Amino acid sequence: SQTIHQWPATLVQPVGSPLSLECTVEGTSNPNLYWYRQAAGRGLQLLFYSVGIGQISSEVPQNLSASRPQDRQFILSSKKLLLSDSGFYLCAWSVDPYRAGYTFGSGTRLTVV
Amino acid sequence: DAKTTQPPSMDCAEGRAANLPCNHSTISGNEYVYWYRQIHSQGPQYIIHGLKNNETNEMASLIITEDRKSSTLILPHATLRDTAVYYCIVRVWVGDSNYQLIWGAGTKLIIKP
Repeated sequence: SQTIHQWPATLVQPVGSPLSLECTVEGTSNPNLYWYRQAAGRGLQLLFYSVGIGQISSEVPQNLSASRPQDRQFILSSKKLLLSDSGFYLCAWSVDPYRAGYTFGSGTRLTVV
Repeated sequence: DAKTTQPPSMDCAEGRAANLPCNHSTISGNEYVYWYRQIHSQGPQYIIHGLKNNETNEMASLIITEDRKSSTLILPHATLRDTAVYYCIVRVWVGDSNYQLIWGAGTKLIIKP
């Protein structure tokens, strides 16, 4: 069965520090991968998506970047965190866009202090 | 911008049917309606999706109006564990064999004993 792993669950980082969040998928090949951010009490905002290794599409200009070094690995990074980067970050995957839905990881709650 | 409008909150008695409305008056002919729910501080969980016809699965039923401008998610026998934020989402085509989910703010459903 397919599973998605996202870590860490919570993270507190000082302003100006770097960030690296990792997401891995098991049990499938060539998935579409997504990074979302959710502000408190709001819906999800798509940050990046990837349809293959090395292919990254950015939806919102910001202080973050994404990379996909392997087929089932998706990384969200920042060189210098801002206070406004705080939020709930979710990784998701899908295989067939005609099939039902996207599967989400358990999320990382990032607090920048 | 969100393509859906939902009431911010609703209550429902345990054991009764919960009916969650959603307006999507600007939906295009090939755009699907998806429903997800999110229990506090967890990743969203897929519930159901549809295009034109009504759909039913083990979790819920989705009723889509003939003009496709609105839909209703029905949880037939709500339990306390169904307390969550429910998101009505439109899936739009963005090219490169990929779709995006356009998220709104959702409805906070509270099931009361």
